[in-house]
Amino acid sequence: GAVVSQHPSWVICKSGTSVKIECRSLDFQATTMFWYRQFPKQSLMLMATSNEGSKATYEQGVEKDKFLINHASLTLSTLTVTSAHPEDSSFYICSARGGSFYNEQFFGPGTRLTVL
Amino acid sequence: TQLLEQSPQFLSIQEGENLTVYCNSSSVFSSLQWYRQEPGEGPVLLVTVVTGGEVKKLKRLTFQFGDARKDSSLHITAAQPGDTGLYLCAGPSRGGTYKYIFGTGTRLKVLA
Repeated sequence: GAVVSQHPSWVICKSGTSVKIECRSLDFQATTMFWYRQFPKQSLMLMATSNEGSKATYEQGVEKDKFLINHASLTLSTLTVTSAHPEDSSFYICSARGGSFYNEQFFGPGTRLTVL
Repeated sequence: TQLLEQSPQFLSIQEGENLTVYCNSSSVFSSLQWYRQEPGEGPVLLVTVVTGGEVKKLKRLTFQFGDARKDSSLHITAAQPGDTGLYLCAGPSRGGTYKYIFGTGTRLKVLA
């Protein structure tokens, strides 16, 4: 299977600061990457779809100015949580599809964000 | 709106027991995937089923795709503590966006 990495695996920040999370496809070119948010003991909630070289498509209710997504290359997408507040604390997971894995998506290990 | 409902929501069983998790929808899906997620980690793909009526086996796990491609099941034989986790089904959204719809999840705990 394909390998997707995320960095950092966890981050603690102060309220009002911005945090950047990276998602990388290590052994394939990801034409599409997805960003999810997961609350404790719940399923995944899709935040946005990111296609390489174009603007991300955000799901209803997700603030695009709050969660900035950049997919500048076929192996890297970034999610920046701007002016983070405690309610943004969550588990953020990315996934990627592309190349020979066009019909499946593979997930990164997730990033635990805690905003104090 | 495409929805995937999973049942049961929670399941706590003893080691060695068998169990079945269901994933149901009123919509037809071109394929369905099953994932297992452990706490603090991302979901790991277990299987993809594509053909209506298809049955796939992965050691003690048996996956079935409904004939009408609206539902799927996951059966675990002789469950072990290592099977503990959150099981998620998912299917591609209509419209060519490559988005996936995720099921509501089944949290399984296998007691030794």
